[in-house]
Amino acid sequence: GIQVEQSPPDLILQEGANSTLRCNFSDSVNNLQWFHQNPWGQLINLFYIPSGTKQNGRLSATTVATERYSLLYISSSQTTDSGVYFCAVSQGGKLIFGQGTELSVKP
Amino acid sequence: GAGVSQTPSNKVTEKGKYVELRCDPISGHTALYWYRQSLGQGPEFLIYFQGTGAADDSGLPNDRFFAVRPEGSVSTLKIQRTERGDSAVYLCASSFSGDEQFFGPGTRLTVL
Repeated sequence: GIQVEQSPPDLILQEGANSTLRCNFSDSVNNLQWFHQNPWGQLINLFYIPSGTKQNGRLSATTVATERYSLLYISSSQTTDSGVYFCAVSQGGKLIFGQGTELSVKP
Repeated sequence: GAGVSQTPSNKVTEKGKYVELRCDPISGHTALYWYRQSLGQGPEFLIYFQGTGAADDSGLPNDRFFAVRPEGSVSTLKIQRTERGDSAVYLCASSFSGDEQFFGPGTRLTVL
């Protein structure tokens, strides 16, 4: 089946720093979503981005479907950005998740 | 509007017991999904409904797991003869015709 790999697995930032999270996938996909899982376990939708670039405030994402990767950019990070970021790809309806990137933003 | 809701938020049971977990999708969403998340892992797919029928149940780990969605809205995930290895957070998601999925807060199941 399709493989989804995220990097880095862990990331520690000082407040105000920028970061880039990467998601590689091994096959063609219908859709791609980025989520932030907060400390209470809730998965929060960040982007629904099968291709192209989208921006939402300090966050933006780019998916290059032909090269099978997506990037999530976080600018001017805040302590509330801490948590786990998941990339998930859709194949035949179901989502297949990567292992996540655990982000810790220090004040 | 209201998001996906799941009940109970926490369930503690003893090995061998039967449990039911409930999911209320976003109103109007035709597709409903169940996932399971173990500590330190990403969610793993269990089953997907389009309307009342299971479109894909390939993720159910064995025949102790069963899910229904009789009226095309609320769904119940049923686990028979629970085992300690079933302990996890069970997540439900819904979408409009298979597009962007939105997740509920999950049910944390602990099997003692």
